[in-house]
This record gives sequence, C-alpha cells and structure tokens, in this order.
Amino acid sequence: NAGVMQNPRHLVRRRGQEARLRCSPMKGHSHVYWYRQLPEEGLKFMVYLQKENIIDESGMPKERFSAEFPKEGPSILRIQQVVRGDSAAYFCASSPVQEGAGELFFGEGSRLTVL
Amino acid sequence: ILNVEQSPQSLHVQEGDSTNFTCSFPSSNFYALHWYRWETAKSPEALFVMTLNGDEKKKGRISATLNTKEGYSYLYIKGSQPEDSATYLCAFKHSSASKIIFGSGTRLSIRP
Repeated sequence: NAGVMQNPRHLVRRRGQEARLRCSPMKGHSHVYWYRQLPEEGLKFMVYLQKENIIDESGMPKERFSAEFPKEGPSILRIQQVVRGDSAAYFCASSPVQEGAGELFFGEGSRLTVL
Repeated sequence: ILNVEQSPQSLHVQEGDSTNFTCSFPSSNFYALHWYRWETAKSPEALFVMTLNGDEKKKGRISATLNTKEGYSYLYIKGSQPEDSATYLCAFKHSSASKIIFGSGTRLSIRP
C-alpha cells in the first residue's frame, strides 16, 4: 500500500507564475489536509478537504490560493501569481474516513522556491 | 483562535537520561490530541492519538499522558538514545469534523 504521494518534490517558479502541487492520499483515505512550513517554523494549517468538498479553508490566504480534491484524481493546491513569500515546504496528509480522531499520514512534501 | 503551545522549544539531553515535554491546548471542546515525531529530511510520523481524559499511551521507551480538563499532554522519553533526536509535534482536534492544528514542536537533541 503506497503512502501519501506528493509531486513535484521540488518546484521553482518565477514571481507571477502559477504553482500546482499534487497530493495522492493513501488508498482508502478520503480526508486530505494541506500544511505549509515556512523556514524555521512549524506546520501551519491551510485547508482540510474531503472528496469533492472543502471542509475548512480557514488557513488559506484569501487571494491567489485555492485547493480541490476531486472525485477522481489527486488533491491539488494551486498558487497563482506566486511571490517570494510563498517559498516554503507544503505538506499534504491524509486520514481514513472511519476514524475522525485518526492519525495523519504525511507525504514527503513539495518544496516551492520562488525566484 | 485555537492555540496549541509546546514547551520547551528545544532541548539537549545526555544519552541515557530521561526527558519530557509539554503540549498545551484549549480545554474546551476537546476531541483528540496527536503526537508526531519528525526526523530531519523525513515526514512527520504518528506516535499516539489520544481521545480520553486520563489516557496514557506507551510505545517502547516513549509514553504520553493526557489531561483534557486542564488542557495539557506530556510526552516522556525514558533512557534517551541518539535515534530519539527529532522534533516532536503535538496536534489538536476540537471536533470530529474539525481541522488539526499543530504546535511549533519541541526539537530534541541527544548528546552521545
């Protein structure tokens, strides 16, 4: 059973370009969380999704950031018109639907560098 | 605003010594408290998920306790080994459908 898969692992973008980060949860998991880790900081919550639904996006910046988790395919975190301050590691985690309190399984992260 | 705080921020311990650190969380509307270990260049991995006041969990030399009424959890490591060096994160969930909020972590270094 493959773990949580994130790609790309590393992404370089110039200011103003778009960044798309993908997350395939573990098989059977229908809950996905996205977190951002800024240098020397912990994991900051961004968005919590179930299949085809955004449950909580209170951690997402109001502009330029969006996330989706379609019925088929991976979850996508999209950052439009990137700025230098978006440079960070973005971690995705999934959990199974049966256990509301269940542990999170993390991907290895996508490191975005904005030039 | 949900605030999860961990202390200390970092800790240096001699190999063989035991240590512990703290996670504080809101004491109202508690649902679950998680502990994760995050080694450098890897992803966070779950140690414990705790849901009941008074819960005590143990995995090898690592154990955790939970007090939901006063809003804190302790993580204990007995007889620290170099492989215990990592950042230890706690995470709080206030309802079954809520987001999971992480503390900033305690960075543990074990001196051989």
